[in-house]
Amino acid sequence: AQTVTQSQPEMSVQEAETVTLSCTYDTSESDYYLFWYKQPPSRQMILVIRQEAYKQQNATENRFSVNFQKAAKSFSLKISDSQLGDAAMYFCAYRSAQGGSEKLVFGKGTKLTVNP
Amino acid sequence: DAGVIQSPRHEVTEMGQEVTLRCKPISGHDYLFWYRQTMMRGLELLIYFNNNVPIDDSGMPEDRFSAKMPNASFSTLKIQPSEPRDSAVYFCASSLRYRYQPQHFGDGTRLSIL
Repeated sequence: AQTVTQSQPEMSVQEAETVTLSCTYDTSESDYYLFWYKQPPSRQMILVIRQEAYKQQNATENRFSVNFQKAAKSFSLKISDSQLGDAAMYFCAYRSAQGGSEKLVFGKGTKLTVNP
Repeated sequence: DAGVIQSPRHEVTEMGQEVTLRCKPISGHDYLFWYRQTMMRGLELLIYFNNNVPIDDSGMPEDRFSAKMPNASFSTLKIQPSEPRDSAVYFCASSLRYRYQPQHFGDGTRLSIL
């Protein structure tokens, strides 16, 4: 079974600085999808960014980008020019592209604090 | 467009009572998912449906939990009888059939069993 590990339970960053959140996963599959979700105190789960495993190019969405290292099974999230509104729990998630399963497997999350 | 709608937002009830959580997926979405979030276990998939048919219920903790999807626009998650350890936030999510499509989450129901 696939597992997702977020080794940093908590991180903090100064406003306007850059922070990187780590995520590693364990799988024997070659085709899959990876996602980062944000959960602010309001409790919503909001999609931040997604990556297809067969694409070597790292995904980017405005201030958010990923560093996808397939061989290392690593999928880190970089937040540039951090803003107070970025404070939230961040969850990394894996979904297989094989076998017909639509299951999302989540990591335990990283709590990000943004200091003014 | 309306997102995934869950009700109620909060539910407080006494142990032994029946609890029903409701979900309206995004119109046109083929898949519907129920998750449970706790501090100890994080986000766990309980069950998911494809075109109203349950596909994988291996995450349903025990027989006290049941889920139904009578039509494409409505699903329920029922707990009977409820226990204090069922206290958690329950999320419903929906997605389109293509795998790259993300799951869109509702705001969740915070359930407290006293």
